[in-house]
Amino acid sequence: AQRVTQPEKLLSVFKGAPVELKCNYSYSGSPELFWYVQYSRQRLQLLLRHISRESIKGFTADLNKGETSFHLKKPFAQEEDSAMYYCALLTDSWGKLQFGAGTQVVVTP
Amino acid sequence: SAVISQKPSRDICQRGTSLTIQCQVDSQVTMMFWYRQQPGQSLTLIATANQGSEATYESGFVIDKFPISRPNLTFSTLTVSNMSPEDSSIYLCSVETANYGYTFGSGTRLTVV
Repeated sequence: AQRVTQPEKLLSVFKGAPVELKCNYSYSGSPELFWYVQYSRQRLQLLLRHISRESIKGFTADLNKGETSFHLKKPFAQEEDSAMYYCALLTDSWGKLQFGAGTQVVVTP
Repeated sequence: SAVISQKPSRDICQRGTSLTIQCQVDSQVTMMFWYRQQPGQSLTLIATANQGSEATYESGFVIDKFPISRPNLTFSTLTVSNMSPEDSSIYLCSVETANYGYTFGSGTRLTVV
């Protein structure tokens, strides 16, 4: 069965500390994964996708097929990183996304 | 990336009534997607709308409850019919944009009283 698991509902970190948001997936095919972010009172927006291998706002995520993971990392958290983060898996060629439960990140000064 | 205008942004409705949510995209897109985000929950796909054909609904969602229209390549509507308090959610539309993944509207926050 297709599944996206984000085990942490809430992640509280200090400014300047590293942050890692976990995402594990279950998918029989070749996965395409995304991280979306939702800042307070803003719409959901794409943070990064694994096929582009970009670093956005200092965040990176590497697809590890052996561990079926796509963890999101940032070496030095900033207060503006406080937001809700969703990991998502593309489940078919028509564009259906399956979302994880989300992780709320709170960065305190 | 595509710009999506979704309206209304919020509404408070009486149970038993229906609400139609509109989604307008500034470019032509093949597929449009409708999601629901219940309070404190993640996003769940309701249906996929392809222009010129009936929408494809996910398990747990039916056309009688969530009829969808897709009259052209830039517009779609989702109706939430015969509403009950359990339908109180945020409803979002989404489209795929080349090189940008999937773009989402700002959502419609529905409260049913």
